[in-house]
Amino acid sequence: QSALTQPASVSGSLGQSITISCSGTKNDVGGYNYVSWFQQHPGKVPKVLIYDVRNRPSGISPRFTGSKSGNTASLTISGLQAEDEADYYCASYTSNSLEVFGSGTKVTVL
Amino acid sequence: QVTLKESGPALVTPTQTLTLTCTFSGFSLKTNGLRVSWIRQPPGKALEWLARIDWDDAKLYSPSLKPRLTISEDTSKSQVVLTMTDVDPADTATYFCVRANYGHPDYWGQGIRVTVSS
Repeated sequence: QSALTQPASVSGSLGQSITISCSGTKNDVGGYNYVSWFQQHPGKVPKVLIYDVRNRPSGISPRFTGSKSGNTASLTISGLQAEDEADYYCASYTSNSLEVFGSGTKVTVL
Repeated sequence: QVTLKESGPALVTPTQTLTLTCTFSGFSLKTNGLRVSWIRQPPGKALEWLARIDWDDAKLYSPSLKPRLTISEDTSKSQVVLTMTDVDPADTATYFCVRANYGHPDYWGQGIRVTVSS
């Protein structure tokens, strides 16, 4: 199974909104509502931002929102802050109950 | 309080077998919906899902690594063990164990760095 496709980098200015895409197929992103998003700062353990496409765990800022259309999931970060500068990964279940991660996106705050 | 902690060797010689242990607390892997996965991240690279064991003892593997991986549970010790045979320098990575509640990956271990080198 191939990694889900994410843009290598996305940048935005403080206070702006950015969207990170996660493209898959009907056999993963498009077929199931089991898409998660993770934030990882350098040298740190990934943190779950979104699960089941659009649900936020307790304690996660509402500035992070998840959505899905067809075979593409998206993570939108609103009101970009300096601490949002990190790597972001999507993940999805697949048609045979396996899992696959995205290629990762580096977010830069200008 | 749910915790997971990975343990194993920091250095492995090529062609050897790597055994990693995830010791967890605060839950039973026999509880409906709970799952424990192994995920790795080579230095400077993306996360990669390796294997998972579910509450009903289902065991699933990344297709590309399936011939080399075995995942198991030691219920008495609250441990999930991953073995990887015939390791290669390309297997150098930080290995994480992660608990999920159905589709919600909610707790990560701190990770263990493993270097494959002669």
